Amino acid sequence: DADVTQTPRNRITKTGKRIMLECSQTKGHDRMYWYRQDPGLGLRLIYYSFDVKDINKGEISDGYSVSRQAQAKFSLSLESAIPNQTALYFCATGGDGAGGYTFGSGTRLTVV
Amino acid sequence: GESVGLHLPTLSVQEGDNSIINCAYSNSASDYFIWYKQESGKGPQFIIDIRSNMDKRQGQRVTVLLNKTVKHLSLQIAATQPGDSAVYFCAEYGSGNTGKLIFGQGTTLQVKP
Repeated sequence: DADVTQTPRNRITKTGKRIMLECSQTKGHDRMYWYRQDPGLGLRLIYYSFDVKDINKGEISDGYSVSRQAQAKFSLSLESAIPNQTALYFCATGGDGAGGYTFGSGTRLTVV
Repeated sequence: GESVGLHLPTLSVQEGDNSIINCAYSNSASDYFIWYKQESGKGPQFIIDIRSNMDKRQGQRVTVLLNKTVKHLSLQIAATQPGDSAVYFCAEYGSGNTGKLIFGQGTTLQVKP
């Protein structure tokens, strides 16, 4: 099993729909992150959580919300999806020691 | 604000040649740097890291060089192979030891056969 698992891998949704992206990790880290990747813009931080009771906004949190259900689970929601949220979304864990982050394989989201 | 940037968006090299990917960072207080490789359809993967008390660190076919004077980081790949084709990101831990990585824009490495 992968260290960081994201579901779904691909999703097409309509404008205005609510959608949830899920992430689970088996690394045992307290810290988890959600990033968005757009062509030419690198990885931008949406939300991050340093433990179950600690949730923080990243640089582009508008239009998104998160839930940290357990140490191993961190989900990202788009309350009302819009086309410019079409992107590749990555969950990651780590940052509480050496070695940086471990990333999931990503969710490719298309909002039509 | 803090930023991490790569000098070139695309680098094309011949198979077997050495590749050098560069990165400039702005936060002189950063003390930990990482290079990631992202292949098509996958998430970024850790390649090699370096702490600010080092100038050079070597891995298998990869070397990272850190020049703190000019705030420059580079990744050298020896004998580049087709499997090295990917996007490469540098990342640094931001000020205040927040545990948040700041990523550069990425350089696409294309290996010509």
